[in-house]
Amino acid sequence: QVQLVESGGGVVQPGRSLRLSCVVSGFTFSSYGMHWVRQAPGKGLEWVAVISYDGSNEYYGESVKGRFTITRDNSKNTLFLLMNSLTSEDTAVYYCVKDPRRGGTVAGYSDNWGQGTLVTVSS
Amino acid sequence: DIQMTQSPSTLSASVGDRVTITCRASQSISSWLAWYQQKPGKVPKLLIYKASSLESGVPSRFSGSGSGTEFTLTISSLQPDDFATYYCQQYNSYSLTFGGGTKVEIK
Repeated sequence: QVQLVESGGGVVQPGRSLRLSCVVSGFTFSSYGMHWVRQAPGKGLEWVAVISYDGSNEYYGESVKGRFTITRDNSKNTLFLLMNSLTSEDTAVYYCVKDPRRGGTVAGYSDNWGQGTLVTVSS
Repeated sequence: DIQMTQSPSTLSASVGDRVTITCRASQSISSWLAWYQQKPGKVPKLLIYKASSLESGVPSRFSGSGSGTEFTLTISSLQPDDFATYYCQQYNSYSLTFGGGTKVEIK
């Protein structure tokens, strides 16, 4: 079955950086686009970024553009999110999410979610 | 960015009720809309994609409709397992956005 396991969350000071990882199994990772979606405590869902199956295209939400970078290593079935210049507004559970479309452009919605990793930005 | 507005934000209903949740887009998104269900402490679950296509394994009491800027999620007969928060999400453009959520509570 599809499994997505995030790691790398924790407490970080404002202005610092953090890198999240997501190791996947149960599907051909190199064939699917992947997203990061976040959810602040007690709040709704916010899409963060998407990367194409081969890493050639990436797009970001306005609130993270220029600060966050999504990448992937298809040889290791791993998705990453590098987060720079963190602020308290970035405090959230970060979910690694699979796009349902195989190859080509991403569909844009999500058919499998990881359990999430909590990032807390606090001094 | 395309703004997604859900209504109501909270809905109180009883088991067996027909429930309708509305999602409005700030501009036309054709049929590029998905619906998710999230229970407390759990990850979101895909219910509907392309406005009206039911995800595999989702009970048939869930249905979606609409196109352009106005969409609805309907639960034909609310079951105890359906008390949760529901989110719509547009994927018309590469700045994907979610609605604010609708919490379905027990009346």
